[in-house]
Amino acid sequence: DVQLVESGGGLKQPGGSLRLSCAASGFTFSSYAMSWVRQAPGKGLEWVSGLSGSGGGSLHADSVKGRFTISRDNSKNALYLQMNSLRAEDTALYYCAKARTPTIAVAGATFDYWGQGTLVTVSS
Amino acid sequence: SYELTQPPAVSVSPGQTASITCSGDKLGDKYASWYQQKPGQSPVLVIYQDIKRPSGIPERFSGSNSGNTATLTISGTQAMDEADYYCQAWDSNTAVFGTGTRVTVL
Repeated sequence: DVQLVESGGGLKQPGGSLRLSCAASGFTFSSYAMSWVRQAPGKGLEWVSGLSGSGGGSLHADSVKGRFTISRDNSKNALYLQMNSLRAEDTALYYCAKARTPTIAVAGATFDYWGQGTLVTVSS
Repeated sequence: SYELTQPPAVSVSPGQTASITCSGDKLGDKYASWYQQKPGQSPVLVIYQDIKRPSGIPERFSGSNSGNTATLTISGTQAMDEADYYCQAWDSNTAVFGTGTRVTVL
């Protein structure tokens, strides 16, 4: 069975940094694109970042561009999100999501499996 | 930036049909996906590539996409279908989610 387990969330002050991790199992990790999607408390879903299975072609939402960096280690079946210059509006539950395709941003790159999420709170 | 608009809420009686719309500019030229999210749970994919159902998703869930509107239809709605539903599509290298619709089974 596909499993995605996020970790690394916590409470940070504005301007701080945090690194989220997602441990994947149950599928050939390097064959699929992965993304981070967040959900602020009581709000809807917002795509944050995505990366193709090969590790190339990273993409980021405008709201995090220049502050967040997505990466992956296919030898460890792990996805990461480095979050710098954190803001209060980054407070959210961050989900790791697997795409159905090896390449991110293609038409069929829907998200077929999701983790349980890790909570990031940015507050002074 | 690209936007996908959904009605905030839809109410349906058990056994009846619920239709949830998702509107976006030339959405019919893109693939639409739909996700179900129950309180306190992670999203679950229910429809992808406009009309396809992942394994394990009941046949009562169906989708369509044409023009500027994608539609998720739940036929014979059950109490367990009460949840938030989000559409999603890709535009200009960005995954865009709809505003979300809360489906209430009365």
